[in-house]
Amino acid sequence: QVHLVQSGAEVKKPGASVKVSCKTSGYTFTGHYVHWVRQAPGQGLEWMGWVNPNRGSTHYAQRFEGRVNMTTDTSVRSVYMDLSRLTSDDTAVYFCARSSAWYHPFDYWGQGTLVSVSS
Amino acid sequence: EIVLTQSPGTLSLSPGERATLSCRASQSLRGSNIAWYQQKPGQAPRLLIYGASSTATGIPDRFSGSGSGTDFTLTISRLEPEDFAMYYCQQYGSSPKFGQGTRLEIK
Repeated sequence: QVHLVQSGAEVKKPGASVKVSCKTSGYTFTGHYVHWVRQAPGQGLEWMGWVNPNRGSTHYAQRFEGRVNMTTDTSVRSVYMDLSRLTSDDTAVYFCARSSAWYHPFDYWGQGTLVSVSS
Repeated sequence: EIVLTQSPGTLSLSPGERATLSCRASQSLRGSNIAWYQQKPGQAPRLLIYGASSTATGIPDRFSGSGSGTDFTLTISRLEPEDFAMYYCQQYGSSPKFGQGTRLEIK
């Protein structure tokens, strides 16, 4: 069965960077896109971007351009999301999610990783 | 940029009743690339409906979706206790967008 397992909670100071991992299993890793979606406390869902593990290509939401970097490591079937220049507004739960193509819905999700940004 | 507006913000119903949730897009969505997700506290969202009206694998048949163009609806025919949760619509495509959500609560 399909699983996406994310790394544990992080606490960061403003201005720092965070890297969240998403380890996948149960499907052809290079055959599906992986998206990152975040959810601030008590708020809705916000799409951040996707990465194509087959080619390493990426597409980011405009508001995160220049601050986010999504990468893959096919040897360990993992996807990574790096977010820099953190502020308190970046405090959120970050989810990875799979889709069959970039224009498809998100059919499997990771459990979420809480990133807290505080001085 | 497409904006999705969900209504109502909160829906209070009793088990056994029918729930109707709305999602309106700011511009017409060709291809009806609308999905619906359910999210319970502390959990990741779960895909319920895609393509506006196709039910995802393992989703009970009391969930159904309809609509086209700018107006889309998620219907839960007879509410079960486990259906009380947050629901989000999503336009998936080049830059996916989510609606702000509808909270379905027990009356």
